[in-house]
Amino acid sequence: DIQMTQSPSSLSASVGDRVTITCRASQGISNFLAWYQQKPGKVPKLLIYAASILQSGVPSRFSGSGSGTDFTLTISSLQSEDVATYYCQNYNSAPFTFGPGTKVDIK
Amino acid sequence: QVQLQESGPGLVKPSQTLSLTCTVSGGSISSGDYYWSWIRQPPGKGLEWIGYIHSSGSTHYNPSLKSRVTISVDTSKNHFSLKLSSVTAADTAVYYCARDFMVRGGVDYWGQGTLVTVSS
Repeated sequence: DIQMTQSPSSLSASVGDRVTITCRASQGISNFLAWYQQKPGKVPKLLIYAASILQSGVPSRFSGSGSGTDFTLTISSLQSEDVATYYCQNYNSAPFTFGPGTKVDIK
Repeated sequence: QVQLQESGPGLVKPSQTLSLTCTVSGGSISSGDYYWSWIRQPPGKGLEWIGYIHSSGSTHYNPSLKSRVTISVDTSKNHFSLKLSSVTAADTAVYYCARDFMVRGGVDYWGQGTLVTVSS
């Protein structure tokens, strides 16, 4: 099975900062990677699929990149409403494992 | 607009079987473009993928749960179901049903989630 790791596990940044989260797969998954945002007490929301394609309705300050084993999620200018935990997910091959999450809050 | 809604008991006794149903509205579960999935989240923890079923009946389960999990689909009722046997306190979690857009990738619709507590 493919294992997913994320770093950092948590971060604190100021409004307007550029934030980068890294996700690594234990083996190559091409671009079969999704990113989700889960705000406290809420249902996860799909942000990005195919590693870099923004889901409809997601603000353009979110972007994704990477292929193979290494991926990044970038928030170009952090907003207060971006406080959430972010998860990556492999969907190259089942089981479609999630990363452990990165908690983002405002400094 | 597609909507998914979980239903089932919120409390299950240890060693018993957890049973949940997800009713899909606003779209047909018979569409071949999707996997119909179950995902869970223990309180304060991350997301764990449980498994999926396709309208063809094909399934895939998380190996860590495979011996205890069954996912089934009833296309006539437009719903799919989860059974998890021999539950323990470690199975206490919010259980989400979800639609996985297999053609494109990623879970694009989620149910609101239902908390299932395993306790005597």
